[in-house]
Amino acid sequence: DAKTTQPTSMDCAEGRAANLPCNHSTISGNEYVYWYRQIHSQGPQYIIHGLKNNETNEMASLIITEDRKSSTLILPHATLRDTAVYYCIAVGTSGTYKYIFGTGTRLKVLA
Amino acid sequence: NAGVTQTPKFRILKIGQSMTLQCAQDMNHNYMYWYRQDPGMGLKLIYYSVGAGITDKGEVPNGYNVSRSTTEDFPLRLELAAPSQTSVYFCASRRGQTNQPQHFGDGTRLSIL
Repeated sequence: DAKTTQPTSMDCAEGRAANLPCNHSTISGNEYVYWYRQIHSQGPQYIIHGLKNNETNEMASLIITEDRKSSTLILPHATLRDTAVYYCIAVGTSGTYKYIFGTGTRLKVLA
Repeated sequence: NAGVTQTPKFRILKIGQSMTLQCAQDMNHNYMYWYRQDPGMGLKLIYYSVGAGITDKGEVPNGYNVSRSTTEDFPLRLELAAPSQTSVYFCASRRGQTNQPQHFGDGTRLSIL
């Protein structure tokens, strides 16, 4: 599974869009990009995932570059409750679907 | 809809004691996973299972054992607790089909003194 790299921390003003980048330059053709977040020390919460097309759901949007080497998670109107650690994970589709977590991005939403 | 249920939520053990962390899911998921998370770090995979009767090691299996006798349950056993096993433990499950996310429990916070 491809390794992902993310900035250690980011700040965002409440009500503004939060754009969280992720680099996955060694991703293979069958690997999906999954995003999770962890609030305090709760269990990771699934946000969104995609393969090569942009995706949107009620929580966020996922933009994947055409070469698939990077992606951006967008929280369109960040609130204080979005303060969390966000993880980007590349997951292969053959076999075990194991996750390899990095240290993620600590997003702080400021009032 | 309970999802993934982990028990206990908190536990303090003495060095050398043993215990079992319980994980149960009611979603009929084939795949189950155990992770540990040390302070300030991402989760690390301990063991996983792709179905009843099948288990395999992850990144950090030393000091742990698992079993999977039913689809619903995936207990994690610590035989001789050591201070290095102080951590938060998360269990997760997913459906067998491609393109499905893992669903995580709320974790068990374990301290070994």
